[in-house]
Amino acid sequence: NAGVMQNPRHLVRRRGQEARLRCSPMKGHSHVYWYRQLPEEGLKFMVYLQKENIIDESGMPKERFSAEFPKEGPSILRIQQVVRGDSAAYFCASSPTSGGAASGNTIYFGEGSWLTVV
Amino acid sequence: GENVEQHPSTLSVQEGDSAVIKCTYSDSASNYFPWYKQELGKGPQLIIDIRSNVGEKKDQRIAVTLNKTAKHFSLHITETQPEDSAVYFCAASRLTSGTYKYIFGTGTRLKVLA
Repeated sequence: NAGVMQNPRHLVRRRGQEARLRCSPMKGHSHVYWYRQLPEEGLKFMVYLQKENIIDESGMPKERFSAEFPKEGPSILRIQQVVRGDSAAYFCASSPTSGGAASGNTIYFGEGSWLTVV
Repeated sequence: GENVEQHPSTLSVQEGDSAVIKCTYSDSASNYFPWYKQELGKGPQLIIDIRSNVGEKKDQRIAVTLNKTAKHFSLHITETQPEDSAVYFCAASRLTSGTYKYIFGTGTRLKVLA
């Protein structure tokens, strides 16, 4: 009964390189969220996706960041031309298909991908 | 905009004492309130949640209370143990246009002193 799987767990990139972070949701889950956590700070929402659809990307920087959740395979958060300020932990969370207002929509987090830009 | 305020930011208690963490939300349409525990180097783990039609929920040593009128909810940990030391996040969620939007608090670092 695997939980949310993220890889890589740790990633080091030089400034200007690209970072790709992958997330496989829990079995049976079709909704994926990405959050960023800077050191000693809280969780900042980035993007919410369903299969082949971006539902809400209001927290995603307009440039250099993109996310996808294809019909087959994991969700991918892509950061192009990384800068030192991108160094953070990136968490993926997943939830099952919405059960309606009465049941809520609990999200479960993965263990995170720690990006370090040098 | 919508936000969730969480207090205190740090909390130290003696082992065996109780710990209380409080959150206040701004969006009156929020109807689901989970709490997460994050240990160092790990992802947040759901520990308890409460829905808006319930005032209190308990699970062994942890409990959550919700006051919808005042728009605040609290996490209570009794008989604290060293392994309770972690960062705790509250969140408020609502259904918006068919999807759920979560707003997280800024976290509380709990230290349980042996």
